[in-house]
Amino acid sequence: QKEVEQNSGPLSVPEGAIASLNCTYSDRGSQSFFWYRQYSGKSPELIMSIYSNGDKEDGRFTAQLNKASQYVSLLIRDSQPSDSATYLCAVKRGADGLTFGKGTHLIIQP
Amino acid sequence: EAQVTQNPRYLITVTGKKLTVTCSQNMNHEYMSWYRQDPGLGLRQIYYSMNVEVTDKGDVPEGYKVSRKEKRNFPLILESPSPNQTSLYFCASSLSGLGRETQYFGPGTRLLVL
Repeated sequence: QKEVEQNSGPLSVPEGAIASLNCTYSDRGSQSFFWYRQYSGKSPELIMSIYSNGDKEDGRFTAQLNKASQYVSLLIRDSQPSDSATYLCAVKRGADGLTFGKGTHLIIQP
Repeated sequence: EAQVTQNPRYLITVTGKKLTVTCSQNMNHEYMSWYRQDPGLGLRQIYYSMNVEVTDKGDVPEGYKVSRKEKRNFPLILESPSPNQTSLYFCASSLSGLGRETQYFGPGTRLLVL
């Protein structure tokens, strides 16, 4: 059974600070890793994808992957109130479907 | 505009009354998938399709059927809905379903089974 674990939160971060979201996964064969953002009642929206060990930066977002530790993280710099949402970690192996974590609820305090 | 559409967006029904939720994409994607999202359980895959006439079970297929007769459409069928199928349903699609692809999600269908 493939599992993706996330702290459900809520994670409360002051505006302008760095938000750090973490995710671990059980399937060592996982090859693709994604972070989705989901506002309440809305569909998931892709924020970042990462496939190789190390860091990947896109604007205020940085994804980090450590396959040896089976660990994925997302850093959000200069957090804004509009970043308040649930962040879903998802992993994928080959042609298998996405396996999602239950999500971390992030609150950015103005 | 590239998109995944679902209909209806909201549905209230009664136990046992067959229903179909439609999903359509205009991106010529081969891969389509259905998920349900429940509080405390996250997003779970119900069924997926790699191409026309090719479908396979996901993690929670019981009580659901799908068909893929055309590339753009992937309806979800509940032949005898039960209250435990009350959920938020998402359809998604991607180019081929392999590896490093973005999955695009539809807007969701909120289903209440009484």
